[in-house]
Amino acid sequence: EIVLTQSPGTLSLSPGERATLSCRASQSVSSSYLAWYQQKPGQAPRLLIYGASSRATGIPDRFSGSGSGTDFTLTISRLEPEDFAVYYCQQYGSSPKLTFGGGTKVEIK
Amino acid sequence: EVQLVESGGGLVQPGRSLRLSCAASGFTFDDYAMHWVRQAPGKGLEWVSGISWNSGSIGYADSVKGRFTISRDNAKNSLYLQMNSLRAEDTALYYCAKNPYYGATGYFDYWGQGTLVTVSS
Repeated sequence: EIVLTQSPGTLSLSPGERATLSCRASQSVSSSYLAWYQQKPGQAPRLLIYGASSRATGIPDRFSGSGSGTDFTLTISRLEPEDFAVYYCQQYGSSPKLTFGGGTKVEIK
Repeated sequence: EVQLVESGGGLVQPGRSLRLSCAASGFTFDDYAMHWVRQAPGKGLEWVSGISWNSGSIGYADSVKGRFTISRDNAKNSLYLQMNSLRAEDTALYYCAKNPYYGATGYFDYWGQGTLVTVSS
């Protein structure tokens, strides 16, 4: 089973700042099969990025994903007030076992 | 518009069973794999189980293997999760999630709002 470790656990930033979230895998994620989700309190998760770097439908271009192998990054170029939330990475290269990272909370500083 | 509506959650005693359902609409259900993902109170996301479009490929997390059974009825546009021998650690909000592919692996492009399962005596 591929274990995903997200860091930092909490990121305290101000609106307008750049956010960089890390997701590290215990072994290589094949074909960059990695996705990112955003979850706000009381809501279901929302898909942001799939295939490590492809934005999902309707996702603003301030969100970008990068990386390959075992190291992946989600970048939010300029934080908007609605971006403060918890972010999860998920790998889907290890079929049929799918795994999530523990999450990074982006909070207002 | 894609809609996924879960039902069947509730309070259940340890060792008992519960069956969750997910009613899907707004897309061609039998073209896509489907999954269950859960979230314990205040915790992160945990994939539970997934099923391919034709039920030919099924997967389970180790934590539920042998106790939970996923199934689908394409004629009824519905996904199910039969949960047996429930434990306190199964307490969570259970989400139904759609896969963008027909195979059992993948990511989740649409999610329901979840149904809460509480296992307690």
